[in-house]
Amino acid sequence: EPEVTQTPSHQVTQMGQEVILRCVPISNHLYFYWYRQILGQKVEFLVSFYNNEISEKSEIFDDQFSVERPDGSNFTLKIRSTKLEDSAMYFCASYRLVDGYTFGSGTRLTVV
Amino acid sequence: AQTVTQSQPEMSVQEAETVTLSCTYDTSESDYYLFWYKQPPSRQMILVIRQEAYKQQNATENRFSVNFQKAAKSFSLKISDSQLGDAAMYFCAYRTESPYNQGGKLIFGQGTELSVKP
Repeated sequence: EPEVTQTPSHQVTQMGQEVILRCVPISNHLYFYWYRQILGQKVEFLVSFYNNEISEKSEIFDDQFSVERPDGSNFTLKIRSTKLEDSAMYFCASYRLVDGYTFGSGTRLTVV
Repeated sequence: AQTVTQSQPEMSVQEAETVTLSCTYDTSESDYYLFWYKQPPSRQMILVIRQEAYKQQNATENRFSVNFQKAAKSFSLKISDSQLGDAAMYFCAYRTESPYNQGGKLIFGQGTELSVKP
C-alpha cells in the first residue's frame, strides 16, 4: 500500500536554528499538507499546497515557516529560526479524492 | 468558521464490549466529509472511517460504525467487540472546502483517549 514517508523521525535542534522537515508524498497525489500536534493537544493545520503553490495557510504559518516541492517528489517544511514553542509532532499528508488523506508517521521536533 | 468538538477527553471500555465516542461540529456548509482517525502511542494517524454528508446511510467498517445526524451536527463513532488494540487517541475531523473544491484542510477535535480493560 502506498505511504507517505517522513524524515527524520526525530529531530533535536537548538533554539534559533533552521530546521527542514522532509516528506515524500504518494506519487499520484496532488494535494499536500503539513499539520502539527503539540504534545497532548489536538492536531492543527499549518499549510496546504497544490500546483506548486500554497493554497491555504493558518495563522500559525507565519514568516518563519516556508514550504516547497523542489524536485517533484519531496515536500519540505522549513522553520527558519526555531523557538521553544515549535516543539511538536509535525505530520505531512497527501490527498487524492479516491484515496482520501494519507498521513506520514510524523517527525518529532524538539527545540532546546 | 468550522469547529469540531469532542466532549469526552477520556473513555474506558471492557474488552469485547461496545463503546461510543461523541463528536459534534459546526458548519454552514451543506456538503462535507467527516472522519475518525485513530492515533496509537506511535502517534501515527490512521483513518478509521469516513462519512460523506450527502449520504444518509451511516458508514461502517467492520467493528467500527458511525451515527451521523446531519441536522444535529453530530457524528459519533461506535466500536463493537472492543479489542486491546483499539486503545488509542481518537480524533474526529471535518474537511473544509478548498478553493479547488477538493483537498480542503482537516479540522480536528480535541481527541478522546480510549482505554480498553482486559
